[in-house]
Amino acid sequence: DAGVTQSPTHLIKTRGQQVTLRCSPKSGHDTVSWYQQALGQGPQFIFQYYEEEERQRGNFPDRFSGHQFPNYSSELNVNALLLGDSALYLCASSPETWTGRVSGSADIQYFGAGTRLSVL
Amino acid sequence: AQSVTQLGSHVSVSEGALVLLRCNYSSSVPPYLFWYVQYPNQGLQLLLKYTSAATLVKGINGFEAEFKKSETSFHLTKPSAHMSDAAEYFCAVSGWAAGNKLTFGGGTRVLVKP
Repeated sequence: DAGVTQSPTHLIKTRGQQVTLRCSPKSGHDTVSWYQQALGQGPQFIFQYYEEEERQRGNFPDRFSGHQFPNYSSELNVNALLLGDSALYLCASSPETWTGRVSGSADIQYFGAGTRLSVL
Repeated sequence: AQSVTQLGSHVSVSEGALVLLRCNYSSSVPPYLFWYVQYPNQGLQLLLKYTSAATLVKGINGFEAEFKKSETSFHLTKPSAHMSDAAEYFCAVSGWAAGNKLTFGGGTRVLVKP
């Protein structure tokens, strides 16, 4: 059973460019969350997708946008890249289903290995 | 609003010694609390979670944490450190609601000395 997979693993962009990061959730999971982890800091919540819609959003500008597909995979898009966008971007998935809530697993987020984005 | 404070950004312990990582939280609703571990160049792995069933929670790799509501704390301990415990540890809080976003602390990096 594959866990959460993210691609690419590393990415180098220049200021002003746009980037798309991809995430495939763990099998059986339908909710995907994205986090930004700057060097030496804890992850910061960007947004969460459920049923192909953005359900919650953290304190990030509109340059950060996302999408969730019918197969529950997700993309994170960042426009007009800034130097400060350099970070590790983590995707996490969880089962929002009734089964997940009954089993107590709905509240556990499983993380991928991340995409390290460098903006030059 | 929720927040997490981890006391000590770096902790150094000798192999075989007690590991104690401190976490204090703030939450306006009954919290769910988590400890995650991050090894170099990897994502986050769940060590344990507290969801009100029991105040002492046992996790993987010999770690455990105790929820103390009066102190708003959720400290992580391991009786005997192993070299493989060298990693960064994050405490996180979420609330029981649709949209279980995690709010993380700043992390504590553990160094294990032989």
